[in-house]
Amino acid sequence: NAGVMQNPRHLVRRRGQEARLRCSPMKGHSHVYWYRQLPEEGLKFMVYLQKENIIDESGMPKERFSAEFPKEGPSILRIQQVVRGDSAAYFCASSAGTGGEQYFGPGTRLTVT
Amino acid sequence: QKEVEQNSGPLSVPEGAIASLNCTYSDRGSQSFFWYRQYSGKSPELIMSIYSNGDKEDGRFTAQLNKASQYVSLLIRDSQPSDSATYLCAVIIYNQGGKLIFGQGTELSVKP
Repeated sequence: NAGVMQNPRHLVRRRGQEARLRCSPMKGHSHVYWYRQLPEEGLKFMVYLQKENIIDESGMPKERFSAEFPKEGPSILRIQQVVRGDSAAYFCASSAGTGGEQYFGPGTRLTVT
Repeated sequence: QKEVEQNSGPLSVPEGAIASLNCTYSDRGSQSFFWYRQYSGKSPELIMSIYSNGDKEDGRFTAQLNKASQYVSLLIRDSQPSDSATYLCAVIIYNQGGKLIFGQGTELSVKP
């Protein structure tokens, strides 16, 4: 499967726990983007990364959220001390270059109880 | 004013008809334009990309871009019930990195 991969597909966390979401880009793609879709809301940009670099994190909440894309391995979106309002679908997309077509993974549905 | 605006719908068309989905954007620096289809509970799927004024056709889909009017549309010919989904318009703005800015989406329902 050469598409964008995300895991886990579903994640349940209690308030105060940490959530780690993983994304492997499409083969040949080095640009990764994270988006969040809250229930009944549109897709919102969170962060844009290339290998070992955060290019744009203007959509990331200032606290509790962080992202990385190490030299080896998948991109990670980390949410510390989750709250109920973090419950959403988190999508990763990848592209071959800036400004080009972005292809989305299946998403991680995070539920905070 | 929202950066990307779409009618939320629902837009209902009979099977076999042409569905017309519209999108306007506010930033004249917008340089790349995309249409995604999202089925309920699924991830967005890229349908069309368009970068210059005019029409771009791919199978039953035609994207139309008019930069002077800041307007992009998607036509779906011979609509099928399987086309029933939410259609998302997205733009990339020059000098704002590569992030997609999405409209709220238009829900399309194709009735058999």
